[in-house]
Amino acid sequence: KQEVTQIPAALSVPEGENLVLNCSFTDSAIYNLQWFRQDPGKGLTSLLLIQSSQREQTSGRLNASLDKSSGRSTLYIAASQPGDSATYLCAVRIIIQGAQKLVFGQGTRLTINP
Amino acid sequence: EAQVTQNPRYLITVTGKKLTVTCSQNMNHEYMSWYRQDPGLGLRQIYYSMNVEVTDKGDVPEGYKVSRKEKRNFPLILESPSPNQTSLYFCASSWTGGAYNSPLHFGNGTRLTVT
Repeated sequence: KQEVTQIPAALSVPEGENLVLNCSFTDSAIYNLQWFRQDPGKGLTSLLLIQSSQREQTSGRLNASLDKSSGRSTLYIAASQPGDSATYLCAVRIIIQGAQKLVFGQGTRLTINP
Repeated sequence: EAQVTQNPRYLITVTGKKLTVTCSQNMNHEYMSWYRQDPGLGLRQIYYSMNVEVTDKGDVPEGYKVSRKEKRNFPLILESPSPNQTSLYFCASSWTGGAYNSPLHFGNGTRLTVT
């Protein structure tokens, strides 16, 4: 059974720092991995999607990497800002017996202190 | 603007009173899905649909029904809500082309309380 883990559950850093969020998954047979941001009381906003054949994706100050063989992904945030404070979730898309599923981690709650 | 729209945003109801949460997307996506989010349990898939008239169970389908009569709409129906269905619900959609390699777009959520 595919399991997705995000450690740490919460992270607090000063503004301006570069930081890395971690996501690990137990089964490397994935179609893609997606990073989301969730603000309190709001829906999930897609940040980056990495296809299984890719190693990384970049968008602005965000860079996501994928190492399928080791079951790991990282989200790198450069020059963090207070507006980056949110919960970050990763999810892997898998196919089980023809059924498409997304398996989510429980998220890392990030606080950027001014 | 491309979006997934859920209604209502907040709903308080009593045990046993049937309710429907609507979900509509304007991106012509084939794939739509419902999730519930609970503290300590994360996001869990309830039902999903690969296209019109094609639906399937997710991980936690008990107590829920869905229908997909039109491509843009995917309502979630609770025939007889119970307090354990109190949760934050999300609808999402995406393309299904390209071997499932398309990002998932989420609605803003529906916070349901069943008393």
